Amino acid sequence: EVQLVESGGGLVQPGRSLRLSCTASGFTFGDYAMSWVRQAPGKGLEWVGFIRSKAYGGTTEYAASVKGRFTISRDDSKSIAYLQMNSLKTEDTAVYYCTRVGPPSVQWLGYFDYWGQGTLVTVSS
Amino acid sequence: DIQMTQSPSSLSASVGDRVTITCRASQGISNSLAWYQQKPGKAPKLLLYAASRLESGVPSRFSGSGSGTDYTLTISSLQPEDFATYYCQQYYSPVTFGQGTKLEIK
Repeated sequence: EVQLVESGGGLVQPGRSLRLSCTASGFTFGDYAMSWVRQAPGKGLEWVGFIRSKAYGGTTEYAASVKGRFTISRDDSKSIAYLQMNSLKTEDTAVYYCTRVGPPSVQWLGYFDYWGQGTLVTVSS
Repeated sequence: DIQMTQSPSSLSASVGDRVTITCRASQGISNSLAWYQQKPGKAPKLLLYAASRLESGVPSRFSGSGSGTDYTLTISSLQPEDFATYYCQQYYSPVTFGQGTKLEIK
């Protein structure tokens, strides 16, 4: 069974940093691109960024709203994806979901076939 | 970025009804479209991808169609568990979601 479990959310002050983790199980993690999607309270879904599999260089792509502040990385040996969030703003307050990008052959642009339960990040003073 | 306009934003329907939700892209997306269902407090769930391909385990009452810029999600006969919010997502360049359609019980 595919499982994605996020951790690391919480309350943080504006301008500070936070790192989220996504621990995967039930599939060969290294074969897939991974992505983060967020949802502000009561709002819709917003894509945050992708990280390609090592087969495609393990490189990343980001939404304009987070580019230069957020960094996605992965540790295939531990089946974990990370989202490092720096210079946080109040508008970054959201539930952050880790997602698997389908199908495994895709470089980065794909649909999200599995989602974690989400972790809430609240940016407030 | 490609804009996705989803309609209606909300919809009231009864069990057994046939329901259609539409998503229009600001430019052609070559069937690179997925549909998700989200229930309150839960993560979204993939229903369809490539505009019309049903994800494994999803009931056949859900179907998708469309091409170019216009796509639809149809639920052929609403069941009580289908009342939720639905989102479309294009993955042509790079990724954007529609604003959602809240499907409520009439």
